[in-house]
Amino acid sequence: EVHLVESGGGLVKPGGSLRLSCVASGFTFSNAWMSWVRQAPGKGLEWVGRIESKTDGGTTDYAAPVKGRFTISRDDSKNTLFLQMNSLKTEDTAVYYCSTGYDINYFDYWGQGTLVTVSS
Amino acid sequence: EIVLTQSPGTLSLSPGERATLSCSASQIVSSTYLAWYQQKPGQAPRLLIYGASTRATGIPDRFSGSGSGTDFTLTISRLEPEDFAVYYCQQYGSSPMYTFGQGTKLEIK
Repeated sequence: EVHLVESGGGLVKPGGSLRLSCVASGFTFSNAWMSWVRQAPGKGLEWVGRIESKTDGGTTDYAAPVKGRFTISRDDSKNTLFLQMNSLKTEDTAVYYCSTGYDINYFDYWGQGTLVTVSS
Repeated sequence: EIVLTQSPGTLSLSPGERATLSCSASQIVSSTYLAWYQQKPGQAPRLLIYGASTRATGIPDRFSGSGSGTDFTLTISRLEPEDFAVYYCQQYGSSPMYTFGQGTKLEIK
């Protein structure tokens, strides 16, 4: 059974940094293209970014609001996905989900999410 | 950037009724790249439909997807109490790679 477990959320001041982790199990993590998707309180879903598998090049792509501030990386030896968030803004406040799928077009599997609150 | 607009924003129906949710794209979307999700309060989204019309594993056959081009529809044939939730459409494209609609809340009348 596939499991994705996020951690690392919390309260941070504007301009601060935070690193989220997502530990995966139940599938071959090293072959998976992984994404982060966020959801601001009471709002809809917003894709944050994606990382390809290393065998497919390991390329990362980001949504415009986070490009240059957020970095996605992976440690395949630990089945772990990371999201490094720098220069955080109040509008980054959201639940952050890691997700993946059998196909790159959609998301079959989601973690339970971790809440990031950016506030002074 | 492709924008997905869902309608209605809120749909009030009773159990046993038929629900029709719409997703309209600002540009043509390949059916291959259109998916639907269900989200209940406090839970992560759940994939319902991919490729515009293929049910994901374990999804009851009362859920069906249709459409092509710029107009897509999610239909729930006979609403069960557990179907009342928020539904999102999503497309895969480029810049941004994935976009979601703003959601339709399906509430009990």
